[in-house]
Amino acid sequence: QLVLTQSPSASASLGASVKLTCTLSSGHSLSAIAWHQQQPLKGPRYLMKVNSDGSHNKGDGIPDRFSGSSSGAERYLTISSLQSEDEADYYCQTWGTGMVFGGGTKLTVL
Amino acid sequence: EVQLVQSGAEVKKPGESLKISCKVSGNSFASFWIGWVRQMPGKGLEWMGIIYTGDSDTRYSPSFQGQVTISADKSINTAYLQWSSLKASDTAMYYCARPAGGYSDGPVDSWGQGTLVTVSS
Repeated sequence: QLVLTQSPSASASLGASVKLTCTLSSGHSLSAIAWHQQQPLKGPRYLMKVNSDGSHNKGDGIPDRFSGSSSGAERYLTISSLQSEDEADYYCQTWGTGMVFGGGTKLTVL
Repeated sequence: EVQLVQSGAEVKKPGESLKISCKVSGNSFASFWIGWVRQMPGKGLEWMGIIYTGDSDTRYSPSFQGQVTISADKSINTAYLQWSSLKASDTAMYYCARPAGGYSDGPVDSWGQGTLVTVSS
């Protein structure tokens, strides 16, 4: 069964960088994932697709501060030059044996 | 640019029926896949199922099979999510979502704004 695991929370200071992790379950280390941002009281917004080779394709209008990468079964979302509006929940999503979401990471900008 | 516009918030009593909608505009293709996602209060995103508007081919997540009905009207580019008998536990925000590339699964690259459903006696 395909499962995505995310840490429940993360924090970083204004202007700093943060790297969020999404881990694919055993046997699915070649799967691509997508990252979505959900700001408080808003709907989700597509950020990017991250492939197993670390290449990524961002959605329209997503700032350069957001980037994706991969290592083994882990997929990353790095946000640099953190701004207050980056405080949000971040979800990873994958597909193949049905659509699956990770549990989400709540990012706090200090 | 694709836009997914959902119907407005609903307040219902347990046992009542409900049908919410998601209208798609700006899509390059006449038919497309549209899915539904549930977000219960304070919780994460859950995939419910998906429908192809062209022939109404519908695929449900096992957790939601038999609990809801997904349908579509191709003529007006609209997908629906329906309950025949609501429960308090159906209280949630519901989002429609479109996978990229015209496939039934893949990265969701377009989201509706959400429809809040509140079920309370």
